[in-house]
Order: sequence, then structure tokens, then C-alpha cells
Amino acid sequence: ETGVTQTPRHLVMGMTNKKSLKCEQHLGHNAMYWYKQSAKKPLELMFVYSLEERVENNSVPSRFSPECPNSSHLFLHLHTLQPEDSALYLCASSPLPFGQETQYFGPGTRLLVL
Amino acid sequence: AQTVTQSQPEMSVQEAETVTLSCTYDTSESDYYLFWYKQPPSRQMILVIRQEAYKQQNATENRFSVNFQKAAKSFSLKISDSQLGDAAMYFCAYRSALRKNSGGSNYKLTFGKGTLLTVNP
Repeated sequence: ETGVTQTPRHLVMGMTNKKSLKCEQHLGHNAMYWYKQSAKKPLELMFVYSLEERVENNSVPSRFSPECPNSSHLFLHLHTLQPEDSALYLCASSPLPFGQETQYFGPGTRLLVL
Repeated sequence: AQTVTQSQPEMSVQEAETVTLSCTYDTSESDYYLFWYKQPPSRQMILVIRQEAYKQQNATENRFSVNFQKAAKSFSLKISDSQLGDAAMYFCAYRSALRKNSGGSNYKLTFGKGTLLTVNP
């Protein structure tokens, strides 16, 4: 248990559905991240929030919409996804200011798009 | 752009033996951090060990140690006295050192594709 929780752990959705992934961290961190982990590929950074402000949007399609209402919570809103979006979505958090900080990961949400 | 390469998709080791996982990276920067993360079948990514590029001394953490060769841009992980619980996917990762006003890119961890380690009883 790293202090970062994600819900749901598994999600199956159709291409016309709208769903949201939730991440919560209990570590007092001020930076939060969304990563996508696909089979046979390195982890891909999607979004970074620092002090609730988005500081990185790594060319992610607009069908993924992040939200960071406070430093403890991070959401990823999903709509009209494609089958190739099926993957493990990992949330992470880290402290500020940035230095040699470690990112702490949640267990992930396994997403299947039909 | 930085890249991280793990040339061994899979490795296996006998319980109680030693195994070394390879990682190389490409960067033009002189100041950065390197990490090894472990992802067991439960899927929670856990930090194993961390190395600061400005430190010549290799990091160690109990049974885990690294061989950091900055000139060769190599960062291998050695696991001694392997245990069944060490079985997992291991990821090598790189992060630039923070520079002021350089935006979100310094938050980014660049990962390798991973090495799947099997521990045989």
C-alpha cells in the first residue's frame, strides 16, 4: 500500500459511454500524475498537475479530460473512447518542491473499451 | 528527448541466487535521477531504488544495489539472495533534474519497457 488509491480497479465500457476514474492520495503530496500502461509499451505520461494546476498535457486526445479539484484528488473523465484506449491507467503523486522526489503509484484501473 | 532501454524482456533466477537487470539510457543532460520500480502481479508500482547522477557512489537498498556507469549511461540493478516475492516486472526510469521555469517536462519520468523477472524455487 503506497498511500495512493484508485477506483474503480476494473472498468468495462462501450465507445459511447462516459465514465470517470478517480485517484486519491493520502501522502500530503502536491503533484499528481496520470499514466497509461499498454502491453509491450513503456508507461506513457498523460497529465501532470502541480498545486492543482495542469502543467503537462502530453498530446493526449481530448476524449480524456483530467480534473484536479484539490491536491488530494485527481480524476480522469472518459468519453467516446476507442478500443485502443484499453490499458491500465496509473495515478501517481509526489511531493513539492521538485528535487529527487519519488513518485508513488496507485494500483491502477484496468480499462477495457468494447 | 531522453530514452530508456531495457534490453532484457524476461529474466529468470533461482531462489537465493543473484540476478542483474540491465538498463541504458540516452540523454544530453548532466544532472538527472534514475529509478528502478517494481510492479508485482498486484499491479502496484513500487520504488525499489533511486540514484542521483551527481553521486558517484552506487545506491544500495538491502538486497538491491545498482551499478551506475554515468559515462556509459548504464544503470543496472542487482538483486542478491533472490526471493519468490521479487518476481515482478521491473522498470527502469529517468527523470531530469529540476530547472526553474522549465515547465512540466521536468516532472516527467521516462520509463523503459520493463523486464519480467521470474524467480524459480
